[in-house]
Amino acid sequence: LAKTTQPISMDSYEGQEVNITCSHNNIATNDYITWYQQFPSQGPRFIIQGYKTKVTNEVASLFIPADRKSSTLSLPRVSLSDTAVYYCLVGDSSGGSYIPTFGRGTSLIVHP
Amino acid sequence: AAGVIQSPRHLIKEKRETATLKCYPIPRHDTVYWYQQGPGQDPQFLISFYEKMQSDKGSIPDRFSAQQFSDYHSELNMSSLELGDSALYFCASSFSSTSPGQGDTIYFGEGSWLTVV
Repeated sequence: LAKTTQPISMDSYEGQEVNITCSHNNIATNDYITWYQQFPSQGPRFIIQGYKTKVTNEVASLFIPADRKSSTLSLPRVSLSDTAVYYCLVGDSSGGSYIPTFGRGTSLIVHP
Repeated sequence: AAGVIQSPRHLIKEKRETATLKCYPIPRHDTVYWYQQGPGQDPQFLISFYEKMQSDKGSIPDRFSAQQFSDYHSELNMSSLELGDSALYFCASSFSSTSPGQGDTIYFGEGSWLTVV
């Protein structure tokens, strides 16, 4: 079972770049890494997904080193509305199917 | 774009009662997941279905059951409710070309708030 470890909380200021790193030492060969954003009392919202190297979309970038034992979500120029909990998920393929498993997320607070 | 629809959004039940939550996945999605998120906690996987068959089972109590119907919507049935069942229940869906795979993008609904009093 691939488990993830993230910082419990982070603080930033508007306009700064925020990098949240997730450790997943036991990631399996076929596992993908997916990041979600969750606001209080709302469903997690898909941000980005990757397998290796770098992935970029309109809201974030995902950096994955060659050993894939960690990944870093990069949020450029954060705003107050980016204050949320961010989760890193690694697919659990041990049973031959995919169980998206949430670990402890990172509570990001963006200050004015 | 259509999203995952959950109903009801809020539900209040008394102890020992039964509750049913419904989930309507994104059109053409064939896989449904159920999660429970207690106050201040992270989402916990309960159960999943692929093509109307149970796919995986997580920390779902025996008092809970679920199924996926022919139209791919799913229902989570909770009986003998306890105070500790008060939580936000999420449904999520994805499209798996053959079977649930690691690269599937999973989309979550807004959740159903269950309060047991």
